[in-house]
Amino acid sequence: QVTLSESGPTLVKPTQTLTLTCTFSGFSLNTGGMCVTWIRQAPGKALEWLALIDWDDNKFFSTSLKTRLTISKDASKNQVVLTMTDMDPVDTGTYFCARAYATNWYSLDYWGQGTLVTVSS
Amino acid sequence: DIQMTQSPSSLSASVGDRVTITCRSSQSISVYLNWYQQKPGKAPNLLIYAASRLQSGVPSRFSGSGSGTDFTLTISSLQPEDFATYYCQQSYRSPRSFGPGTKVDMK
Repeated sequence: QVTLSESGPTLVKPTQTLTLTCTFSGFSLNTGGMCVTWIRQAPGKALEWLALIDWDDNKFFSTSLKTRLTISKDASKNQVVLTMTDMDPVDTGTYFCARAYATNWYSLDYWGQGTLVTVSS
Repeated sequence: DIQMTQSPSSLSASVGDRVTITCRSSQSISVYLNWYQQKPGKAPNLLIYAASRLQSGVPSRFSGSGSGTDFTLTISSLQPEDFATYYCQQSYRSPRSFGPGTKVDMK
């Protein structure tokens, strides 16, 4: 059974750095073709793709946010960590992690429930 | 980057209607196109991957078609539980962008 769960602060102040952890089970990031992706959604807005890390430790980022994002994995702990620097109120929203796998053409077949992050002083 | 567009941005329909949503990519993405359904307060749910492959557990009234740059999601007979927002997403190349969404509400 594949599950993912996001954790991290619910409230951050402007200019602070956000650190979110995706903890997963039911698959391994050591498996060829496996990826974990971060996506966010501002209130009432569309989904926004943020970053991806794959089994081979390749990392990809949103072009508009790449200077602020880092992504890393600890395959032994089944965790992926996303950091976003210099947070602003426009970064308020729900942050999701999701699995992508080559056998499903890298579609996002399993999602966490999401974690709401509010940026406010 | 690959840009994704969807049309319409919203539509009103009745139970039993046939509903069609279109997605277009700014460059060819072969069949690396996925469709998701999202209900308020919930994570998106994968409906269709690789343009036309039905995800396990998804009702057969959902279907997808297309290749290259033009894609379609069809709901053959809209059910009450299908009122939601639908997103396309390309998984051809990173960044793996989403479309802006299509909200399907009740007429």
